[in-house]
Amino acid sequence: DGGITQSPKYLFRKEGQNVTLSCEQNLNHDAMYWYRQDPGQGLRLIYYSQIVNDFQKGDIAEGYSVSREKKESFPLTVTSAQKNPTAFYLCASSPLTSGELAKNIQYFGAGTRLSVL
Amino acid sequence: GESVGLHLPTLSVQEGDNSIINCAYSNSASDYFIWYKQESGKGPQFIIDIRSNMDKRQGQRVTVLLNKTVKHLSLQIAATQPGDSAVYFCAENAGGTSYGKLTFGQGTILTVHP
Repeated sequence: DGGITQSPKYLFRKEGQNVTLSCEQNLNHDAMYWYRQDPGQGLRLIYYSQIVNDFQKGDIAEGYSVSREKKESFPLTVTSAQKNPTAFYLCASSPLTSGELAKNIQYFGAGTRLSVL
Repeated sequence: GESVGLHLPTLSVQEGDNSIINCAYSNSASDYFIWYKQESGKGPQFIIDIRSNMDKRQGQRVTVLLNKTVKHLSLQIAATQPGDSAVYFCAENAGGTSYGKLTFGQGTILTVHP
């Protein structure tokens, strides 16, 4: 069964704690992305990676960190520096990042809802 | 800049009606556009896409229209069904060095009444 798997579905963070959200894809996609979604708002890009061992900051990277050690995995760490982490976090992947435009279609996981205790 | 506390545009229709969801984009360099559907508590799902060298593309029950002159995109859903109730987002790709990156619109809530 191919797709993008995010875990956990729900996550709670204590004050001063770092938490890591998992994102795994078995679609053999080159690019992976992390978005934050707040209630009643669109998606905002946190980080993205176009190739293993390389990633770039998106529009709201402060307080977050990522790694891309394997093609299929792109975990997101919400650090204690992120003072307002409560949100719905979405991971996506796309086949290629250049060439045919259709390769830019991003496919999304089911999301992780993060709350602060 | 960031907008906080925005209320999403909403569209309410009766089952069987046609729905039209609009999206204005800002980057005249954008060369590729996608519509996504997001149901409550789930990730967005791809619906249909269109390149900037086209002005219309049809799928199953859906049509996307692109007007580059006024930087406007619309999604038409024919014979809307209760299962179409969701938030709909448009997304644009600016191409060039921004390939692969999508900028998402605010979203529109579609509610279909039986």
